[in-house]
Amino acid sequence: DAKTTQPPSMDCAEGRAANLPCNHSTISGNEYVYWYRQIHSQGPQYIIHGLKNNETNEMASLIITEDRKSSTLILPHATLRDTAVYYCIVISNNQGGKLIFGQGTELSVKP
Amino acid sequence: DAGVTQSPTHLIKTRGQQVTLRCSPKSGHDTVSWYQQALGQGPQFIFQYYEEEERQRGNFPDRFSGHQFPNYSSELNVNALLLGDSALYLCASSLVGNTEAFFGQGTRLTVV
Repeated sequence: DAKTTQPPSMDCAEGRAANLPCNHSTISGNEYVYWYRQIHSQGPQYIIHGLKNNETNEMASLIITEDRKSSTLILPHATLRDTAVYYCIVISNNQGGKLIFGQGTELSVKP
Repeated sequence: DAGVTQSPTHLIKTRGQQVTLRCSPKSGHDTVSWYQQALGQGPQFIFQYYEEEERQRGNFPDRFSGHQFPNYSSELNVNALLLGDSALYLCASSLVGNTEAFFGQGTRLTVV
C-alpha cells in the first residue's frame, strides 16, 4: 500500500470549512484514497473514498489532484462534533479490505 | 440495524492469562477484521476472517488467534497475555473484498 503523509494536528473554527490534506506521492493507478475518522473512545467511521474524480457525500467532499499524488478532505461547515482523528488511507480494492492506518490528523474544532 | 457489536466493552486480565473477545458483524456482512489500537496510535491490522477461514494476517504473533462462526460472528483469542497487549481491540465488518468497513466501539483490554 502507498504511504500517506498527514499533518499531525489542525485547528478549525466552528462553522468554517476544515481542509485536511494528505500526500500520497507513490500511489498506484489501481489504488483508491479512503478517509476514515475516529472520534475519541469510538471505532473508526468511514467518510468517503475516490479514485481520481472529486467526490461528495452528505459528510464531506474529497478533492484529488490531477496527478493523484495528494488529496484534500473538506468538511464544509465544521461543528464541535467533527473533532476527531482523521485518517487518509490508500489501498487497492483487491487488498481484501485490509486497512493500513497511519498516525492521522487530529482535528480540533473550536467554538 | 445494530451495526457492529463487541463484547465485553472493558476487560482487565493478569499477565499470562488468556482472553476471548467477541464480535457480531453488521447485518448482511460476511467478513470480519480485527485491529489492535495502542494508546495514541492508529489501529493495526491483526487478521481477517471470511467463510470461517483466516484470509489475511498482519504482523502479530501466533498468540493471537481467531475464529469465525457460520453466522459470521467472530472471536479473537489472545494467549499468554503480556503487558504490551493492553490496547483497544476493534472489530470491523464488511462485504468480502469491500474496503468500506464498519467498526464496533471496541473492547478496552488492560493487562496488569
